[in-house]
Amino acid sequence: DTGVSQDPRHKITKRGQNVTFRCDPISEHNRLYWYRQTLGQGPEFLTYFQNEAQLEKSRLLSDRFSAERPKGSFSTLEIQRTEQGDSAMYLCASRAGGWGDRSPLHFGNGTRLTVT
Amino acid sequence: GQQVMQIPQYQHVQEGEDFTTYCNSSTTLSNIQWYKQRPGGHPVFLIQLVKSGEVKKQKRLTFQFGEAKKNSSLHITATQTTDVGTYFCAGAIQGAQKLVFGQGTRLTINP
Repeated sequence: DTGVSQDPRHKITKRGQNVTFRCDPISEHNRLYWYRQTLGQGPEFLTYFQNEAQLEKSRLLSDRFSAERPKGSFSTLEIQRTEQGDSAMYLCASRAGGWGDRSPLHFGNGTRLTVT
Repeated sequence: GQQVMQIPQYQHVQEGEDFTTYCNSSTTLSNIQWYKQRPGGHPVFLIQLVKSGEVKKQKRLTFQFGEAKKNSSLHITATQTTDVGTYFCAGAIQGAQKLVFGQGTRLTINP
């Protein structure tokens, strides 16, 4: 178990630029989640994949956000035309099991995005 | 939509004092999980509660799940400096795969 890996750890970008983050989940985990966390708040759900299928997406997620998990392994989260309000820690998590399973989320160290 | 509220937002205690954080959901939960996030770190799973009225203990930590499965609490007895961090509850509703997190309670300790 090498844990959930996220890259990069930090990203500073100018408003209007596009950014892409990568997440490598624990290899045997078929479910992958993206959360966003701002200072003093709990993780806020963005989207969820089971294998390569994106099964749920938060209504808070604007059209500027897109996520993929093309082969059911690693995932990418892209933000287009970044805004200062996008500045946050983006956390990826994975978990094992099928539908209805209650296994815990394993989080990566996150990617901290700063939009200037 | 589903909301999970947590209180207090902050708690500062003297080392050796007890600490409690409370979690309330707007909807009945299938299960609730608790996570701890150290400063600069990521959330780490502590425990899961599934049954109505369930109580679980981990050394000095006691977790409870309410009878109606809409609230939960975490109690730490005789805090130590290693307990510093933010404690989050996260609830799941029946049939849903996502966990909804509370805002967290940040615990600081005066040694």
